[in-house]
Amino acid sequence: DAGVTQSPTHLIKTRGQHVTLRCSPISGHKSVSWYQQVLGQGPQFIFQYYEKEERGRGNFPDRFSARQFPNYSSELNVNALLLGDSALYLCASSRGQGVTDTQYFGPGTRLTVL
Amino acid sequence: GENVEQHPSTLSVQEGDSAVIKCTYSDSASNYFPWYKQELGKRPQLIIDIRSNVGEKKDQRIAVTLNKTAKHFSLHITETQPEDSAVYFCAASLPGTYKYIFGTGTRLKVLA
Repeated sequence: DAGVTQSPTHLIKTRGQHVTLRCSPISGHKSVSWYQQVLGQGPQFIFQYYEKEERGRGNFPDRFSARQFPNYSSELNVNALLLGDSALYLCASSRGQGVTDTQYFGPGTRLTVL
Repeated sequence: GENVEQHPSTLSVQEGDSAVIKCTYSDSASNYFPWYKQELGKRPQLIIDIRSNVGEKKDQRIAVTLNKTAKHFSLHITETQPEDSAVYFCAASLPGTYKYIFGTGTRLKVLA
């Protein structure tokens, strides 16, 4: 039974560049959420997608965008990278049936911006 | 505003003792409260959760209690073991949205 997968595992970029992170949810799950976790802090919500539609957005600038594909996988895009974007980016998968759905996290992508 | 406070930030206990981590949430309409364990360099793993229609839930050595009136919930780990050492995060669902608000984490160290 495959869990949530994310790629790449690690990524190093320079300021101003663009990055795309990928996530595949648990089979049968239709919702994907993205979180940013800065070292020493709890995850901060960025987006949630369900059935290819954005269903929620956190307090992040427009440089952050995402989409969900027909197979329910998802991409998170970040433009014009800043040093402060360095973090662990977590994807969480859920059935998408309600606000009390349990979310299961992937291993994350560690992004370093130099 | 939306907020979850978590205490303590660090906790050291002797192996075999109990550990308690407390969280307070701000929105009284929050109705789902998961707890995650995150080992160094690994993904957050769900260890237990509770919904607002229940006051307590247990799973072997782990229990969670919820006090809706006071808007706080707690994680209790009994008979701690070295492998319980990790960072623990509480979270609360935000009503009207599909997101969780996470606490700032508690680093638990179980001393052998």
